[in-house]
Formats: sequence, C-alpha cells, structure tokens
Amino acid sequence: SQQGEEDPQALSIQEGENATMNCSYKTSINNLQWYRQNSGRGLVHLILIRSNEREKHSGRLRVTLDTSKKSSSLLITASRAADTASYFCATDDGSGTYKYIFGTGTRLKVLA
Amino acid sequence: DSGVTQTPKHLITATGQRVTLRCSPRSGDLSVYWYQQSLDQGLQFLIQYYNGEERAKGNILERFSAQQFPDLHSELNLSSLELGDSALYFCASSVGGGGFSYNEQFFGPGTRLTVL
Repeated sequence: SQQGEEDPQALSIQEGENATMNCSYKTSINNLQWYRQNSGRGLVHLILIRSNEREKHSGRLRVTLDTSKKSSSLLITASRAADTASYFCATDDGSGTYKYIFGTGTRLKVLA
Repeated sequence: DSGVTQTPKHLITATGQRVTLRCSPRSGDLSVYWYQQSLDQGLQFLIQYYNGEERAKGNILERFSAQQFPDLHSELNLSSLELGDSALYFCASSVGGGGFSYNEQFFGPGTRLTVL
C-alpha cells in the first residue's frame, strides 16, 4: 500500500449523518494534515495534527491520530450537502526532507 | 478564494511542445509549492521554492523545471510534453519555508493541461 491511503475510496451518506474516513501511512511522521478538494478545484486545508497529539477538533471536524497503528481518522459530524468533496490526508515521511505525500483520497457524497 | 493565483486556467497543446505555468503566491508568503494531480498518479508533490531558492524536490521529471523570481511569483516549465503529462497542476504557498509539516499551504485553483 502507498503512504497515505484513505479508506473508503468513496462514501455516500444522507445529510445530517456522520462521515468517517480513515488514512493509513507507512513511515513515521512528524505531522498529518487533512485537506478537502471540491471537484476540479484546489485543495483546502482542514486540520493539522502533530505526531504527539491524539485528537484534534475544528468545528464539525474531529481528527484522531494513532501513531502505533500508523493511522488517522477524520470524522465530519452532522454532514451537509456542501461537504460533498474529496478528502485527502497528507504526511511528510518523517525524514525532514520536506517530501510531502498525499493519499489517494476519499470521495464523499452527501445526499440532501 | 485562497489568494493564490494561477494562469492560465486551461492549456491545450501538442506532444513535444513546451509550456510555462505561472503562480502568484498569497501576499506575504515566501514559499511556493508545485503539485501534479492526475487520475492514475493522484496528487504528487513536485518541488518547493522558498524565497527564491529551491527547498525541496519531489517527483519532478527532468523535463520539468521551476523557478521563483524576486517578486516571489513562480513558473513551472514543462518541456518535451507527453500525453501522460496531461493533468491538473496546482501551486500552493505558505508563509514559512519549514516544510509541509509546519506550514499550512494555500492552494491555487490549478491549471488544467491537456496534451494531445
């Protein structure tokens, strides 16, 4: 598997439901970030979690990080149609070389 | 609107040609990053410049080159284009040069390159 693989690849839910997507990575990291991308548009930074943090909140977003399992999850609560987008996790490779690796993304569709 | 601008929005060209993509970072940002997004390769980091100097290199082909000018705008040059170079090319900027992990990046709207 690649560094930064999101699961599931696609997710379809009803408005108001919660959406959970997961990211796994292979190497040790310094930080992990989540980004959102609306179709064909640029990425928008959502949240950064450092390797010594376990959980972080931002509005309706909750991110967890489990460095022992090399995984992170993004929870969007009370989803809205406007949350329809692709979500990517992104990591460094922990080596300090500034090489940035994006996952394959989860395509979220929120049905009104 | 992230404050990062990219031109052109769309570019259609033929194999073997050379193109230049332009990026203007947010006011005050010193770092510029270039990414390529294609269906088969996903989002790939190409290169980072900080205050005019190359800071980090990713999966950038030798046919590709970039530079950052004194006014901090950046250009990505793609030469000897191949069909497989068709992709969305994003530019992002950040305040510092401390690398991805320590700087939130603001992405431009992208340039869609089609090589025929």
